Amino acid sequence: DTAVSQTPKYLVTQMGNDKSIKCEQNLGHDTMYWYKQDSKKFLKIMFSYNNKELIINETVPNRFSPKSPDKAHLNLHINSLELGDSAVYFCASSQDRGWPGELFFGEGSRLTVL
Amino acid sequence: AQTVTQSQPEMSVQEAETVTLSCTYDTSESDYYLFWYKQPPSRQMILVIRQEAYKQQNATENRFSVNFQKAAKSFSLKISDSQLGDAAMYFCAYRRSRFGEKLTFGTGTRLTIIP
Repeated sequence: DTAVSQTPKYLVTQMGNDKSIKCEQNLGHDTMYWYKQDSKKFLKIMFSYNNKELIINETVPNRFSPKSPDKAHLNLHINSLELGDSAVYFCASSQDRGWPGELFFGEGSRLTVL
Repeated sequence: AQTVTQSQPEMSVQEAETVTLSCTYDTSESDYYLFWYKQPPSRQMILVIRQEAYKQQNATENRFSVNFQKAAKSFSLKISDSQLGDAAMYFCAYRRSRFGEKLTFGTGTRLTIIP
């Protein structure tokens, strides 16, 4: 059973389209995250949710809209896709507080905008 | 703001030898976590080792160990008896010990294993 699963694993789309990536975790964690990994492999936080509530919203264009229907799911919707949105998007989850404190990552979703 | 610096973009090591990857970080906090993650070509992010800041003892996981120097804000990873499967990007990461905190990553070190 995959702990953090993302779908789809790959998306190829045209500029201007809208796309969504879904994420689910079965670890019972309360906090979920979206990270973006660019072509230089740099990983940057985009959003995090705790129990369906947005708690981190980094400087991200408002074309990106996260949504958490419940604490086990965190989806990412992207409107009006641009070439610069091409990247790997990782979903992750963690327990609220205390040791061990690590994030568990999904396998990533590679988005290619043509 | 917390920053994590990995000064070695690329490293290589002969199979069965030992290699050390460097990481420094900047923080004003006293309680935090440090991690090394591995990202092989499959792109999965895999936790290698973790360290809690208030613990003086360096963490060890099989062939992987860290040298944690809190005063110097240094957290290096030593890989002993390197294996071909160790080839990957290695990311150092920092997380404050608070509710809902993000993980801040360094820029990564690409490790190549020479057979």
